[in-house]
Amino acid sequence: GAVVSQHPSWVICKSGTSVKIECRSLDFQATTMFWYRQFPKQSLMLMATSNEGSKATYEQGVEKDKFLINHASLTLSTLTVTSAHPEDSSFYICSAYGQWGDDEQFFGPGTRLTVL
Amino acid sequence: SQQGEEDPQALSIQEGENATMNCSYKTSINNLQWYRQNSGRGLVHLILIRSNEREKHSGRLRVTLDTSKKSSSLLITASRAADTASYFCATSGSNYQLIWGAGTKLIIKP
Repeated sequence: GAVVSQHPSWVICKSGTSVKIECRSLDFQATTMFWYRQFPKQSLMLMATSNEGSKATYEQGVEKDKFLINHASLTLSTLTVTSAHPEDSSFYICSAYGQWGDDEQFFGPGTRLTVL
Repeated sequence: SQQGEEDPQALSIQEGENATMNCSYKTSINNLQWYRQNSGRGLVHLILIRSNEREKHSGRLRVTLDTSKKSSSLLITASRAADTASYFCATSGSNYQLIWGAGTKLIIKP
């Protein structure tokens, strides 16, 4: 099946720094990718929809300037958490739709961000 | 965004027993999907059922869909300790976004 990777798996950073998380589709082209965040013991919350070559569509309440999304190629989307603060600590998960027109999304393993 | 309810919120059963989880949703859908997530890990896609399907099987998994009641159930038969995880349902509509249920935490006691 299709594989989506995320890098890094986990990151610990100081408050005020920026952190970039990469999401890659390894064996398929992903025209659309989604970014989620998940707090402990909670469900996934959609942050934004990322389309290759165009601006991301953010969900209500998600700050565009805080969470920068770049989908520059058909295999890579990046999420940059700018000026991270402890409340940004969370599990960030990306997913991708493939090029087959099917409905299945493929999920990355997630990135755990801890901001001290 | 969250679509609706999953029940129960948590479930603990003995190994070998069957586990049933339910999911309700609010809007019309193209399909409904079930995922498993082990603690602190990524999501594993289990099964997808389309809106014109009523039942689907995959190994020890059986999923039903009742679009008139806007509900779905996931049955895991002959449960194993390795089935311990959180289970989420997610619905997909015309815009391909997945809308998630709150999840059911399943604990299988050996």
